[in-house]
Amino acid sequence: GAGVSQSPSNKVTEKGKDVELRCDPISGHTALYWYRQSLGQGLEFLIYFQGNSAPDKSGLPSDRFSAERTGGSVSTLTIQRTQQEDSAVYLCASSLGRAQPQHFGDGTRLSIL
Amino acid sequence: DQQVKQNSPSLSVQEGRISILNCDYTNSMFDYFLWYKKYPAEGPTFLISISSIKDKNEDGRFTVFLNKSAKHLSLHIVPSQPGDSAVYFCAGGGAGSGGSNYKLTFGKGTLLTVNP
Repeated sequence: GAGVSQSPSNKVTEKGKDVELRCDPISGHTALYWYRQSLGQGLEFLIYFQGNSAPDKSGLPSDRFSAERTGGSVSTLTIQRTQQEDSAVYLCASSLGRAQPQHFGDGTRLSIL
Repeated sequence: DQQVKQNSPSLSVQEGRISILNCDYTNSMFDYFLWYKKYPAEGPTFLISISSIKDKNEDGRFTVFLNKSAKHLSLHIVPSQPGDSAVYFCAGGGAGSGGSNYKLTFGKGTLLTVNP
C-alpha cells in the first residue's frame, strides 16, 4: 500500500524566502508528526496532529514555523523568512494513533543559500 | 540535554555474525521504545518496538532487550546480512495520562556496516 508521501523531495531557496513542505499521510492514520534532522543529529520533534484535537506545537523552534492539517489528512509545514540554520531534512510521519509505530516519508531536503 | 544516547557512531561486523546496537536513555518517563533503520535519502523504517512492561521482544532476526534499571536497551541482529547495512536509530516515548508517547525522542544513530 501507499506510504507517507512528501513533496518536494528537495528544495533549494534563498535566505529570507518562504517555503512550504507537504505531507500526505497513510490513509486512515489519524496521527501526523513533523520532525527535522540536521546534519549529524537525531530527529527533532516539531509538531503533532491527532484527529481534530489542537496540535502540539511545542517543538517548533520559532514563530517563523507553522503547520496545518486540512481535513484531517494532508499537512503543510511553512517556514517564513528562511534562515541558513533552517537547512535540514524535514520528515513527516503518520500512525494509527498514540503509542502506535510512526511510519515516515522520505523527507524533504531543504537547503537555504 | 540528550535524553537518548547512542554512544557508538559506527559498528562493523561480518556477515553471519551478531550485530549489537546499544542505546541509553535518561528520561524515566519513557516507557515505549522503538528502533528504526534508515538508508541514505530515505525516511526511517520502523523495525521493532518494546514496552517497558517487557524486557525482550523478538521479531525474526531482530531482538530488542530492555534493562529498565540501567536505562539501557539494545538491538540484536542475528545473523547479520549485508542488506542490514544502514543507520539505526533508537527512540523513546512516554505513555500514560498526559504523557507524550506520541512525541518520540531519537538518538543520533549508529551506522552499521555488515561486510560480506
